[in-house]
Amino acid sequence: AQSVSQHNHHVILSEAASLELGCNYSYGGTVNLFWYVQYPGQHLQLLLKYFSGDPLVKGIKGFEAEFIKSKFSFNLRKPSVQWSDTAEYFCAVTLKAAGNKLTFGGGTRVLVKP
Amino acid sequence: GAVVSQHPSRVICKSGTSVKIECRSLDFQATTMFWYRQFPKKSLMLMATSNEGSKATYEQGVEKDKFLINHASLTLSTLTVTSAHPEDSSFYICSARDSVLALDEQYFGPGTRLTVT
Repeated sequence: AQSVSQHNHHVILSEAASLELGCNYSYGGTVNLFWYVQYPGQHLQLLLKYFSGDPLVKGIKGFEAEFIKSKFSFNLRKPSVQWSDTAEYFCAVTLKAAGNKLTFGGGTRVLVKP
Repeated sequence: GAVVSQHPSRVICKSGTSVKIECRSLDFQATTMFWYRQFPKKSLMLMATSNEGSKATYEQGVEKDKFLINHASLTLSTLTVTSAHPEDSSFYICSARDSVLALDEQYFGPGTRLTVT
């Protein structure tokens, strides 16, 4: 069965530190990849997405992600976090063969200390 | 940008009653909407795919007679939790896909917190 795994459940870091969140998926077919963010008390927002082309994708708020097909990975990065990046981050994948339904990873709670 | 609304944002109901949650795409048409359930400190679990003008497609393990979905127009899908029980208490989130743009991207609503007492 298709699955998406996020390695870290909780991450705590200080402002200005670099952030990298891991995401791996277990599909063999054509995929579209997403990172969503859920700030406290708010709804899911799209950070970035990868459909095709340049595997290094830049999103909003200084985030980027790199699609490495050989590793089935789509890790999220930000060089220097801010307190306002405190949120929960979800990796998600759609598989064309599965009707493009979104499958979410378990989420990573990120706490940025001021 | 694409906006999806949900109503109500919070609802408390008694065990055995039914609750209807609305999901609307405000500035785009959506032939396909999705309903998710999010447990505390957990990820989103897809419950069903709502198709305008046809029956919803439910994920394995989701009771279609308990979670009734109606997608009567291009901008509205409703989820009715029938004969609700405390274990149905959860955060229900809908999303919609823009039919015209036909991109593989979903826009999420703010969610509805259901508490069954």
